[in-house]
Formats: sequence, structure tokens, C-alpha cells
Amino acid sequence: GAVVSQHPSRVICKSGTSVKIECRSLDFQATTMFWYRQFPKQSLMLMATSNEGSKATYEQGVEKDKFLINHASLTLSTLTVTSAHPEDSSFYICSAKILGDKSSYNEQFFGPGTRLTVL
Amino acid sequence: AQSVTQPDIHITVSEGASLELRCNYSYGATPYLFWYVQSPGQGLQLLLKYFSGDTLVQGIKGFEAEFKRSQSSFNLRKPSVHWSDAAEYFCAVGAGGYQKVTFGIGTKLQVIP
Repeated sequence: GAVVSQHPSRVICKSGTSVKIECRSLDFQATTMFWYRQFPKQSLMLMATSNEGSKATYEQGVEKDKFLINHASLTLSTLTVTSAHPEDSSFYICSAKILGDKSSYNEQFFGPGTRLTVL
Repeated sequence: AQSVTQPDIHITVSEGASLELRCNYSYGATPYLFWYVQSPGQGLQLLLKYFSGDTLVQGIKGFEAEFKRSQSSFNLRKPSVHWSDAAEYFCAVGAGGYQKVTFGIGTKLQVIP
């Protein structure tokens, strides 16, 4: 149980185009989803926290107009990289928390990640 | 703000040998600590977590970690490493009302026959 999927797993796009990445919780409902970015040989950096039905909370330094997050349902959050540039090339990972889990720091379930390459 | 230090970027051990991956954290209150493992091109899998109670925590795949408040450490151990343990390991500390988690830079484990 508690499986999170991401689609696509890999995407290559031209500079200036927009790319949408989907994050789905397959067998549970997620109140909160998180989007992370991971550069080669570096750690995961939290980009934003996404709550169903409300605006995402972005971390300092993350451009909300460039990285659009939509949490349309309890099982789906999307990250759209708008007007992508080569410096946006990275590994994007989402995670989700289970609805109704009252533990303050319960586990986040991670998706397999999406490798974005901008040419 | 919380932070995590993993001083070893890359570690090589022989199969069957014991393993210890170091993690030090900085946080003003009682930390919530995690160890995750990431295989190449994959997402993260939780190995174990510490919230409170017994400072020696048992996880999956034979891993354990010990929380030492006096040393601000949460080192990960395994008595006998298997080739399938080769991966990247991340220590993380959780804090804040919306469960923000800060990750260390990761330690890449290589296992040699």
C-alpha cells in the first residue's frame, strides 16, 4: 500500500516550452503533497507544499509563477514548469501524506521521480 | 532553521562487513529524524524514523539507528552489508507545523564483493 506514482518518468523538452509532471497517490488519499528538486550529487530541496483545494506554499527562492502547482483532488497534484530553461533540468520528486493520519510527523511516501532535461 | 550534515559523501565497504553512516543534525527542539534510501533513478524509501522513546530504532532491511542527543547524531548501522544495499542514503530532520523535512546531502554506499 501507500504507492505514489509520477508521470512521466523522463521528459526532454526544448527551451521555452512548458512541462507538466503528475503526482498521484494510487491507493490512498493525500491531504498534503510535497514537491522536491534534486540536483546531481546534491540533496533534495523542498520546493513547495501542496494542499488539496488551496494554494501551494512555496519555499523561499522558488518562483511560484515558474513552478505552477495544482492539487486538484486528494489523489493528484501537478507541477508545471513554465518556459523551461536548461537550468531547470533536474530530478523532480513528489511525496504525499495519508489523509486522516493524525501523527504529527508521519511518513511521507515518495514517488519515483521525474527526470527533466531542457535542451 | 534545522540542518543536517552527512560528513561522508561516499563510502565503500566489503560485502558482509559492518556499516555505519554518520548523520549530525542541528535543531532547537526535539528533532524528528529519518533515514531514507534511494536507488539510482528512483524515489526514496523510508528505512526508519525516530520521534520519541527508545533511542535505538530498528528499521527495515536489517538497519538500525541510534539517536544521541548529546552528540546531535542519528547514525545508521547495519551489522552485515549485502550487495543489494548499494544505494544513496539520506538522513533527514523534520520540524514545523506542516511537516517540513530537511535532507542531508546524502551518502553514496558502494559494496564490493
